[in-house]
Amino acid sequence: DSGVTQTPKHLITATGQRVTLRCSPRSGDLSVYWYQQSLDQGLQFLIQYYNGEERAKGNILERFSAQQFPDLHSELNLSSLELGDSALYFCASSGAGEGNEQFFGPGTRLTVL
Amino acid sequence: TQLLEQSPQFLSIQEGENLTVYCNSSSVFSSLQWYRQEPGEGPVLLVTVVTGGEVKKLKRLTFQFGDARKDSSLHITAAQPGDTGLYLCAAHIYNQGGKLIFGQGTELSVKP
Repeated sequence: DSGVTQTPKHLITATGQRVTLRCSPRSGDLSVYWYQQSLDQGLQFLIQYYNGEERAKGNILERFSAQQFPDLHSELNLSSLELGDSALYFCASSGAGEGNEQFFGPGTRLTVL
Repeated sequence: TQLLEQSPQFLSIQEGENLTVYCNSSSVFSSLQWYRQEPGEGPVLLVTVVTGGEVKKLKRLTFQFGDARKDSSLHITAAQPGDTGLYLCAAHIYNQGGKLIFGQGTELSVKP
């Protein structure tokens, strides 16, 4: 158990809909990262928040947005969903450890029908 | 173009055999991490290497970081069926903040 929690575990929805994925980081970690894992693209970095502020952005679509709240939990919002958005979405958190080690949650499997 | 090249992509071996997985890039890493992932679960951190030339051992797993900090390898001695899984290397690249760049992964299957 990494200490990072994610809900829900599974999400099935239709094209055009909007969903929210939730992540709680390890106790004491200020940074939260979101990644998308699909069969053809592997693990891709989406966005990072540090203590409530956006720190870095990766290949995140404009239809996707995220935020980190004062209690440090984070939400990833996916809107106008398309079939190609079906993937595993992982949240990771890090503290101030050597090499900025990131610890991953169990993921949310999103299926868009 | 993949920034982090991992090879081989697939590996199927018998229990007791040794194997090596490679992770290479043309970029210099500030640090590199190896993860193991099982189907439907999140990647689990195995090790972090930071210093060029560094070697770390974790039971039957040996991790090496290249002197130039552009490559790394994972060697498993006497593989067991419990080692089966997806092995991922991931790196922090200088001046690209905290994000991790992942290799494509090596799918290892160890048959009894």
